[in-house]
Amino acid sequence: SQQGEEDPQALSIQEGENATMNCSYKTSINNLQWYRQNSGRGLVHLILIRSNEREKHSGRLRVTLDTSKKSSSLLITASRAADTASYFCATGLANQAGTALIFGKGTTLSVSS
Amino acid sequence: DTAVSQTPKYLVTQMGNDKSIKCEQNLGHDTMYWYKQDSKKFLKIMFSYNNKELIINETVPNRFSPKSPDKAHLNLHINSLELGDSAVYFCASSLTWGHDQPQHFGDGTRLSIL
Repeated sequence: SQQGEEDPQALSIQEGENATMNCSYKTSINNLQWYRQNSGRGLVHLILIRSNEREKHSGRLRVTLDTSKKSSSLLITASRAADTASYFCATGLANQAGTALIFGKGTTLSVSS
Repeated sequence: DTAVSQTPKYLVTQMGNDKSIKCEQNLGHDTMYWYKQDSKKFLKIMFSYNNKELIINETVPNRFSPKSPDKAHLNLHINSLELGDSAVYFCASSLTWGHDQPQHFGDGTRLSIL
């Protein structure tokens, strides 16, 4: 299996509820990024968290990173229909600066009104 | 203004043909990328250029050839197209090279091989 894997693969919630997506990875990382992809569009960068950080916030987004468990979570609070999209984590491997980001397979979030 | 633009948006062609996809970014970034996204949404890096120099060349058939005429442009030429090349191809850019650089993506080129 690959470096970054999101869980769950798909998530359906109602507007106003919170959505939590998880990302697990296998090898040590320098940082971890989260991206959103709306249907038919390119990926949009949401947030970056470095390996020495535990939590970051951006608006309704909260990202945590637990390097001991090699996992990260993305929490979207008070979800809206416009949050419907696929969410991907991407990791940069530690001590391998010449390598590319590795993207997970994504979580598809559906928010119904 | 579109930051990263790709043309064409859709490309439908026959097996064996040669085609090109163009990408331009107006962000003043140094680094550009080509990704392939398959039908299961798995996104895989193909190539990366930094200041017009190739720095990443993943295991991609040599039918795929990138070209960067300047920092703002990264084109992808594909020879002898095969059925398995059907996918969405994304161009992206970042300010500089590095794992801590947010990437800005175009909206993709949907390639369908008949």
